[in-house]
Amino acid sequence: AQTVTQSQPEMSVQEAETVTLSCTYDTSESDYYLFWYKQPPSRQMILVIRQEAYKQQNATENRFSVNFQKAAKSFSLKISDSQLGDAAMYFCAYRSGGGSEKLVFGKGTKLTVNP
Amino acid sequence: EAQVTQNPRYLITVTGKKLTVTCSQNMNHEYMSWYRQDPGLGLRQIYYSMNVEVTDKGDVPEGYKVSRKEKRNFPLILESPSPNQTSLYFCASSIRGKGTQYFGPGTRLLVL
Repeated sequence: AQTVTQSQPEMSVQEAETVTLSCTYDTSESDYYLFWYKQPPSRQMILVIRQEAYKQQNATENRFSVNFQKAAKSFSLKISDSQLGDAAMYFCAYRSGGGSEKLVFGKGTKLTVNP
Repeated sequence: EAQVTQNPRYLITVTGKKLTVTCSQNMNHEYMSWYRQDPGLGLRQIYYSMNVEVTDKGDVPEGYKVSRKEKRNFPLILESPSPNQTSLYFCASSIRGKGTQYFGPGTRLLVL
């Protein structure tokens, strides 16, 4: 079974600085997707960014970018120019390219942004 | 506006009293799923549906039922709730095979 590990339960960053959240995963599949979801205090699950495993190019969405290392099974999220609104729980998730399409989540990283 | 809606958003009930949490999406998605979120455990899949009348168990299906009679709706049924089903529940939907699941706002359930 696939597993997702987020080794940093909590992280903090100064406003306007850059922070990187770590995620590793374990799979024997070659076709899969990886995601970062943000969960603010409202508890809503908001998609931040997604990466298809077959794409070598790292995904970017404005201030958010990923470092996808397929051989190392690593999928880190970089947040540039951090803003107070970035404070939230961040979840890394894996989805198989076939089968049940279930999302497998890591346990999350709580990000604090200091003014 | 494209969205997934859930009702109710908050619910307090007692052990054994049947309840249903509704989920509806307006994006014509084939795939729908229920997850529960518990502290220290992250999100875990309860049930999913690939299309109308097609449902299957996820990782933690015990104590839950689902049905998919219409494409847009995927209700979660707790026939005899117990305190260990106190949790935050999310419904999600996606186009089959396209990867990205979109989540509802969540339903916070407390079973006394």
